[in-house]
This record gives sequence, structure tokens and C-alpha cells, in this order.
Amino acid sequence: DAGVTQSPTHLIKTRGQQVTLRCSPKSGHDTVSWYQQALGQGPQFIFQYYEEEERQRGNFPDRFSGHQFPNYSSELNVNALLLGDSALYLCASSLSGRVPDTQYFGPGTRLTVL
Amino acid sequence: RKEVEQDPGPFNVPEGATVAFNCTYSNSASQSFFWYRQDCRKEPKLLMSVYSSGNEDGRFTAQLNRASQYISLLIRDSKLSDSATYLCVVNIGTGGFKTIFGAGTRLFVKA
Repeated sequence: DAGVTQSPTHLIKTRGQQVTLRCSPKSGHDTVSWYQQALGQGPQFIFQYYEEEERQRGNFPDRFSGHQFPNYSSELNVNALLLGDSALYLCASSLSGRVPDTQYFGPGTRLTVL
Repeated sequence: RKEVEQDPGPFNVPEGATVAFNCTYSNSASQSFFWYRQDCRKEPKLLMSVYSSGNEDGRFTAQLNRASQYISLLIRDSKLSDSATYLCVVNIGTGGFKTIFGAGTRLFVKA
């Protein structure tokens, strides 16, 4: 049973560039959520995708956008990168309608913006 | 006020000790509650869901008090391998939820 996978593992970009991160959910899951975790902080909710639509969003600017594909995998796009976007980006998957709505996390993508 | 608050610690305890973590949340629309553990530079891993009736998994006991908007985690007979950051997590809403993490409580278990 494959768990949540993310790619790439590490990424280095410069200010102003754009980046795309990828996530494949745990087998049988249909909902994907994305998080940003700065060093020493808890993860911050970016948004959640279900049925290829953004269903919930946290307090992140429009530079952060996403997509979900018919196979439930997802992408996170960040435009016009800032130094402050350097963080660990985590993807989590869950099964809609299940209570509690337990999420399982991928290993993350560590983004460094220079 | 943060939506989910935890004592940041660190907690330094000897092996075999009992340690308790507390967490409060502010949004009354919170529906699901969890404890995750996170090792350094790794992803959060689910420790346990938390229910009003309380739940126990081996040395770990979690409790939810909805009236006080308070969640707790008790670890008995601490092991060196319990050293990690413990994250209190709350899902707000159903059929589409937002997840709020506490900042985490750092635990060091010493030999």
C-alpha cells in the first residue's frame, strides 16, 4: 500500500522564479491538502483539493495556486518566489467523508529561495 | 490569540517518566482532533486521534474536553525514542476542512 509521495525532495530557486511541487496521495484517498512549514514552526494550511477543485484555503496570497488531477494527484505552484517562501512544503491526503478525517503526510519538498 | 496553542517546551524528562502535554483551541467549529509527532526534518506522523471519551494506545492516552476546548496527551514510561516534537492538530469544518496545527511541544527524553 503506497503512502503519500512528493517530488522533488529538494529544490533551490532564486527570487522571482516560479516553482511546481507534486504530490501523489495514499492509495484510496481522494483529498489532498498542502502545508508550508517554516523552521521551528508548525505546518500552516495552504489549501485543500477535492474533486479537482479547491475546497478550502488558508491565509496565503494568490501567488500560491494548485491543481488536482483526475487520478487525485496534485500540484502546488508558487509564482514570484520570495526569500520568505523558503520552507518545507508538505502534502497530506485523506478520504472525504470519513470521520475523523485523518490525514497522512508525505516526506515533503524542501524549497530554498536564494 | 492563536487558534491552537501549545506549551512550546522543551520538556526534558528522564527515561521512565510520565509527561503530559496540553493544548487549547479557540474555534468552536472544530470537529476532529489529533496528536502527531514530528522528528527533526521529517514529516508529521499520526500518533492518535482524540475523542471526548478518551482513547489509549499503549503508553499514550489522549483526552478531549469540548466544553473547555482543551486537548491533552499523556505519555507514560517515557522511552528515548519518544524524543520528538508533538503537534496538536485541529480540523475545522466537515466535508471540506481547514487544518490548524499548534506550534508543537519539544520533548527530550534522557537516559
